[in-house]
Amino acid sequence: AQTVTQSQPEMSVQEAETVTLSCTYDTSESDYYLFWYKQPPSRQMILVIRQEAYKQQNATENRFSVNFQKAAKSFSLKISDSQLGDAAMYFCAYRSAWAGNMLTFGGGTRLMVKP
Amino acid sequence: DTAVSQTPKYLVTQMGNDKSIKCEQNLGHDTMYWYKQDSKKFLKIMFSYNNKELIINETVPNRFSPKSPDKAHLNLHINSLELGDSAVYFCASSQDGAPLGNEQFFGPGTRLTVL
Repeated sequence: AQTVTQSQPEMSVQEAETVTLSCTYDTSESDYYLFWYKQPPSRQMILVIRQEAYKQQNATENRFSVNFQKAAKSFSLKISDSQLGDAAMYFCAYRSAWAGNMLTFGGGTRLMVKP
Repeated sequence: DTAVSQTPKYLVTQMGNDKSIKCEQNLGHDTMYWYKQDSKKFLKIMFSYNNKELIINETVPNRFSPKSPDKAHLNLHINSLELGDSAVYFCASSQDGAPLGNEQFFGPGTRLTVL
């Protein structure tokens, strides 16, 4: 079974600064997908960014980018120019390309943004 | 228009009762899911269901049962509620076989409190 680990329960960043959230995963599969979801206090789960394992190029979405290291099984999220609205829980998630569509989540990182 | 909706958003009930949470998606997706988020914010898959297959997480007690009257609905029935069932329950949907990692769209969550 796959596992996803987020080693930072909490992180804080100054507004306009850059922060990196860590995620590692364990799998024996070669083809899979990785995601970062944001959960603000409203509780809604919002997809931030996704990465296909077969792609070497790191995904980017505006101020959000990932550092995907397949050999190291690492998938970190970088948030540039942090904004107050970025404050939320962030979850890393894994999905197999073959064995069903279910997501396996990490334990989450609470990000605080200081004005 | 809400893509994935859940009712109710809050549910408070006594131990031993039977309750249901409804989920509807208007995205035309063919796969739906239920996830449980516990008090420590940990998210775990409970069920994955499409018209072909029901996949049950083996750790889910058989007091929990998904029921799908049609492709757009996946309701969660819980019998003999226990204190440990208190959590936030999320419904999600995705299109099986879609590109870009079968993004899952989440409902707003239902906070269940068992007294």
